[in-house]
Amino acid sequence: GENVEQHPSTLSVQEGDSAVIKCTYSDSASNYFPWYKQELGKRPQLIIDIRSNVGEKKDQRIAVTLNKTAKHFSLHITETQPEDSAVYFCAASISGGYQKVTFGIGTKLQVIP
Amino acid sequence: NAGVMQNPRHLVRRRGQEARLRCSPMKGHSHVYWYRQLPEEGLKFMVYLQKENIIDESGMPKERFSAEFPKEGPSILRIQQVVRGDSAAYFCASSPPQGARETQYFGPGTRLLVL
Repeated sequence: GENVEQHPSTLSVQEGDSAVIKCTYSDSASNYFPWYKQELGKRPQLIIDIRSNVGEKKDQRIAVTLNKTAKHFSLHITETQPEDSAVYFCAASISGGYQKVTFGIGTKLQVIP
Repeated sequence: NAGVMQNPRHLVRRRGQEARLRCSPMKGHSHVYWYRQLPEEGLKFMVYLQKENIIDESGMPKERFSAEFPKEGPSILRIQQVVRGDSAAYFCASSPPQGARETQYFGPGTRLLVL
């Protein structure tokens, strides 16, 4: 089955700096990669996703890149703000038909004011 | 449009009791997924259900755990004879029947504490 590894497990950045979270996956058939943000005590919420037919996607201060050959994908947050502090999960799955999503272990991001 | 709803939000049980967790998917969604999250850990897949069918229960413990998604009403995750190790947050997620099926929307979770 799919295995998703995520690092770092914790990340502290100064407000205004950038944060990068990296994930690798094992199943070359995976073609859908969502990212979820989970604030303390709350539900995971989808913040951005990317499909394997594109290499990069941006949404304001958030961007995700995908390297299919290396089976790497990354989340980039620019101009970080204190409200970006949360746990971020990457995930991988195969689009179409039955869908099982495999999550990474999570990265706890702390933005220091 | 109400999101995914779960109840109760917090549940306390003593060892040996039963826990019933309920999940109502978003309107129009017919796929439900259950995940378990231990403190400081990630989301572990448990089971995937469609109406009246269990599609994948590969993440469910073999004993004491069961899930259903009846034709009418919410999906139920049932844990019999709970043990302290069952203490965790249990999240359900739902997705639409077609189209962006892989996009899952999570409920607020049920935090189970076993004393």
